[in-house]
Amino acid sequence: QKEVEQNSGPLSVPEGAIASLNCTYSDRVSQSFFWYRQYSGKSPELIMSIYSNGDKEDGRFTAQLNKASQYVSLLIRDSQPSDSATYLCAVNKADSSYKLIFGSGTRLLVRP
Amino acid sequence: GAGVSQSPSNKVTEKGKDVELRCDPISGHTALYWYRQSLGQGLEFLIYFQGNSAPDKSGLPSDRFSAERTGGSVSTLTIQRTQQEDSAVYLCASSFKGIDNQPQHFGDGTRLSIL
Repeated sequence: QKEVEQNSGPLSVPEGAIASLNCTYSDRVSQSFFWYRQYSGKSPELIMSIYSNGDKEDGRFTAQLNKASQYVSLLIRDSQPSDSATYLCAVNKADSSYKLIFGSGTRLLVRP
Repeated sequence: GAGVSQSPSNKVTEKGKDVELRCDPISGHTALYWYRQSLGQGLEFLIYFQGNSAPDKSGLPSDRFSAERTGGSVSTLTIQRTQQEDSAVYLCASSFKGIDNQPQHFGDGTRLSIL
């Protein structure tokens, strides 16, 4: 079992729709969770961080965390073609050097 | 500088040669990380620095890989006797103090190709 799992996609949604990206993790004591967006050929860009159970909203983005289920998600409202990218879920290892364990990413395609 | 700076942006070299990759973190960030991303894959942790020391080297794939950091700032990742499987994008990230809830910010990476 991978430590951080994501569906590789592609997830295809029409412009204006809500895109829902999901991530599960195996280390129950993980404390910090991050979503990075990566355009092709570019470096990962931090878009959301979440540390507590519940929802955290920032503009069109909402991160949701459920530690009991070991599940974190990212919702993108009013999806735009410019949101088309790979979204990486990252989890901080609670027992180490604060390194991030990344999922392999979900590719999102927003159709005009 | 405003962001994490890495050089070179691209490096092509022959199998068996040594390569050195450089990372200049965000000013004031004491924690520095190296990751590797192979084509179509997620990021793989290599090494973590807090200041000049490396308390976690657990991700270095072999003894051909080494890294150092001087002055609490610039870091170099060295790969000796490169192999084709070393081809990947090498990404550097930095964060403030290495506290676990401080986000890591990435540089643009070095794309390494071993012929």
